[in-house]
Amino acid sequence: NAGVTQTPKFQVLKTGQSMTLQCAQDMNHEYMSWYRQDPGMGLRLIHYSVGAGITDQGEVPNGYNVSRSTTEDFPLRLLSAAPSQTSVYFCASSYLGNQPQHFGDGTRLSIL
Amino acid sequence: GIQVEQSPPDLILQEGANSTLRCNFSDSVNNLQWFHQNPWGQLINLFYIPSGTKQNGRLSATTVATERYSLLYISSSQTTDSGVYFCAVLNTGNQFYFGTGTSLTVIP
Repeated sequence: NAGVTQTPKFQVLKTGQSMTLQCAQDMNHEYMSWYRQDPGMGLRLIHYSVGAGITDQGEVPNGYNVSRSTTEDFPLRLLSAAPSQTSVYFCASSYLGNQPQHFGDGTRLSIL
Repeated sequence: GIQVEQSPPDLILQEGANSTLRCNFSDSVNNLQWFHQNPWGQLINLFYIPSGTKQNGRLSATTVATERYSLLYISSSQTTDSGVYFCAVLNTGNQFYFGTGTSLTVIP
């Protein structure tokens, strides 16, 4: 059982480049979410989804897009990377109805 | 959004000591979870505890939802307990809010 898989683990981008962070889970979880973690600020919710075809904005959505075409996958897209998006990104999933969240190992993203 | 405050922000313990970490939140929540982020950055779910008390080995947690706080107890601490402990709450709109964490260092 792989759980929540994030790729890549590390990435360096130049300002203005685009990229997609991948997140996949094999637990048939309805709820998936993306967070960014910056030093001293805990985790902040970027976008979340309660099921295939449904996405919504979290606390810090600007500069990021998401889609949920399948239950398993929830990619996060940076359309035009900015240095302020340098961070560690975590994907998480859970069943709906107040269930514990399971996190991927994170993607460390640096934007120069 | 919901404000989540954790205390203390930093804690240094001698191995074998006990500790209590606190999480206060500003509004009613549907879900409260405690996580441990280990030194390698992995986030491990410790407890899902919207109310009541749960125990898992040396760790236990209590949430008093009516008073909007939760406590995480660590007994007989070990060096492997080091890391950052986060509290996270879920609002009625399915959005999670995390506290800024308690950084725990256990020294041998």
